[in-house]
Amino acid sequence: DTGVSQNPRHKITKRGQNVTFRCDPISEHNRLYWYRQTLGQGPEFLTYFQNEAQLEKSRLLSDRFSAERPKGSFSTLEIQRTEQGDSAMYLCASSLSSGGTDTQYFGPGTRLTVL
Amino acid sequence: RKEVEQDPGPFNVPEGATVAFNCTYSNSASQSFFWYRQDCRKEPKLLMSVYSSGNEDGRFTAQLNRASQYISLLIRDSKLSDSATYLCVVKKAGTALIFGKGTTLSVSS
Repeated sequence: DTGVSQNPRHKITKRGQNVTFRCDPISEHNRLYWYRQTLGQGPEFLTYFQNEAQLEKSRLLSDRFSAERPKGSFSTLEIQRTEQGDSAMYLCASSLSSGGTDTQYFGPGTRLTVL
Repeated sequence: RKEVEQDPGPFNVPEGATVAFNCTYSNSASQSFFWYRQDCRKEPKLLMSVYSSGNEDGRFTAQLNRASQYISLLIRDSKLSDSATYLCVVKKAGTALIFGKGTTLSVSS
């Protein structure tokens, strides 16, 4: 399967713990995005990378959240001191920016439950 | 006001029906427009891009009115497999996608 992959698919944690999610984009895609989706809502943008540079961060991304894409390939999203309000589906998407419309392809998501 | 607003759902229609979804966006700087489809507990998948001239893909027709900042999706001859949530999406140049809340469609036999 050459699509976007995310690990783990599900994560249950206790409030106050740190969690880290991984996203592997489609090979050769230079852009990588993180979104968060809660029940009954559309995905909300968190942050995005072009290659290894983090170019934009949403106001939703509090200082407990950090994302990296160290070699311009896979990315990690870490949430420190998790809160119950962090429970959501975390979606990763990738695209190839080529001057035209860079279609974003989504991974299956990581579902986080904070107890 | 949310940047992208969609018809509240759910839409419950019989097989074979024609159904239309509407969407408005608030930022006139938006440059690209899409409809994504999301099945229950799955990731969003691109259904179609939306162009100013309107575009069609089989039973699906999308329209864009930049002056009114309005996007629509028409599904003809609904199938059971069309049951899903349809997300209206806009994008400014070089930035992320902005999603509406989605409209749920349920097609019954």
